[in-house]
Amino acid sequence: EAGVAQSPRYKIIEKRQSVAFWCNPISGHATLYWYQQILGQGPKLLIQFQNNGVVDDSQLPKDRFSAERLKGVDSTLKIQPAKLEDSAVYLCASSFDFGTGGEKLFFGSGTQLSVL
Amino acid sequence: DAKTTQPPSMDCAEGRAANLPCNHSTISGNEYVYWYRQIHSQGPQYIIHGLKNNETNEMASLIITEDRKSSTLILPHATLRDTAVYYCIVRESLHTGTASKLTFGTGTRLQVTL
Repeated sequence: EAGVAQSPRYKIIEKRQSVAFWCNPISGHATLYWYQQILGQGPKLLIQFQNNGVVDDSQLPKDRFSAERLKGVDSTLKIQPAKLEDSAVYLCASSFDFGTGGEKLFFGSGTQLSVL
Repeated sequence: DAKTTQPPSMDCAEGRAANLPCNHSTISGNEYVYWYRQIHSQGPQYIIHGLKNNETNEMASLIITEDRKSSTLILPHATLRDTAVYYCIVRESLHTGTASKLTFGTGTRLQVTL
């Protein structure tokens, strides 16, 4: 079974530039998540989609971050303009619903962003 | 808000059982306990989850105390490849209809040694 695909794997930009990350979830997974992981910390949820609708974006810095999930499949996360503190790994995940109330998230390998 | 407490680090000899504790004293009746792990430079990987009963799968066993205020993840025969950060997370059942976040803390860094 193919996993969650993310690109690019690495990205280096200068502050105030723009950057976009792409995610292709596992086929058939309705729920998609974007997480930000700063070095030494656990992943922090930025946004959750159910199909192409936003379920939770309470921790997304909306003045500079945006995300979309067209047709309920692929998703892009954009930062414009980037700040030094945005340096982190950006993880995409899609989920499988066990049907019993539990859920299993499958994560991609992430995009490591360095803002100089 | 942290709902779980884990030791920051643990060591385990290869071939021995690794027992990773987690306290979740404020867990509510409809919250599951999940365990994920993250190997260096990879995304987190699901291990196991449970509600009340003990659970076992091909990766690990999950022991939940009767009062559900703590749990232990058991890797029965740890190998070097099990070296990772292990996250214990509590999260509401999807059936509650609320958008409960899967919130990661800082986890336990397990080092398996020869």
